Amino acid sequence: KNEVEQSPQNLTAQEGEFITINCSYSVGISALHWLQQHPGGGIVSLFMLSSGKKKHGRLIATINIQEKHSSLHITASHPRDSAVYICAALFGNEKLTFGTGTRLTIIP
Amino acid sequence: NAGVTQTPKFQVLKTGQSMTLQCAQDMNHNSMYWYRQDPGMGLRLIYYSASEGTTDKGEVPNGYNVSRLNKREFSLRLESAAPSQTSVYFCASSEALRGTGEKLFFGSGTQLSVL
Repeated sequence: KNEVEQSPQNLTAQEGEFITINCSYSVGISALHWLQQHPGGGIVSLFMLSSGKKKHGRLIATINIQEKHSSLHITASHPRDSAVYICAALFGNEKLTFGTGTRLTIIP
Repeated sequence: NAGVTQTPKFQVLKTGQSMTLQCAQDMNHNSMYWYRQDPGMGLRLIYYSASEGTTDKGEVPNGYNVSRLNKREFSLRLESAAPSQTSVYFCASSEALRGTGEKLFFGSGTQLSVL
């Protein structure tokens, strides 16, 4: 069965801390997406990756194909980073399977 | 560019009523999707459309119908709403169906309550 698990479910940190959110999946995938869902509900695509590492500003996404694991890192976290972060895996077919999300709260 | 426009933002229905959720994208994308989001669960695919004139069932299609009216528009219809369809609905689009190398673009969501 194609499954995606995220950890932690909830994460609270102080402003400036380095944040890591994890995503693991059950079998081989073609690609993995990281999404951000704002407190107002809107969803924005952050990264799509199939190998290695991608960086955009303070956000870094990595994937280890052998370990079936991806991480999303946020450096120098800020209260505006508070959101739900969702990973989604493409299991070789055309449809994505989504994780349940990690709720991140950054305290000033 | 507006991206993906989804209407309405909120809707309350009584059991048995019908309604249509509208979605339009202005990015000339081939693929469009309808998802529902429920507490404690990941986004689940209801229906998708790989191109104009084609639609396919996703993970949870029962109780829904869709129409890909043209390349821009993809609507979701609830013929006889049930309380189990209370959820937040998202429309999304992407250039290619497989999602490889392509970002997904989401509408702002519709919060639907069925009483």
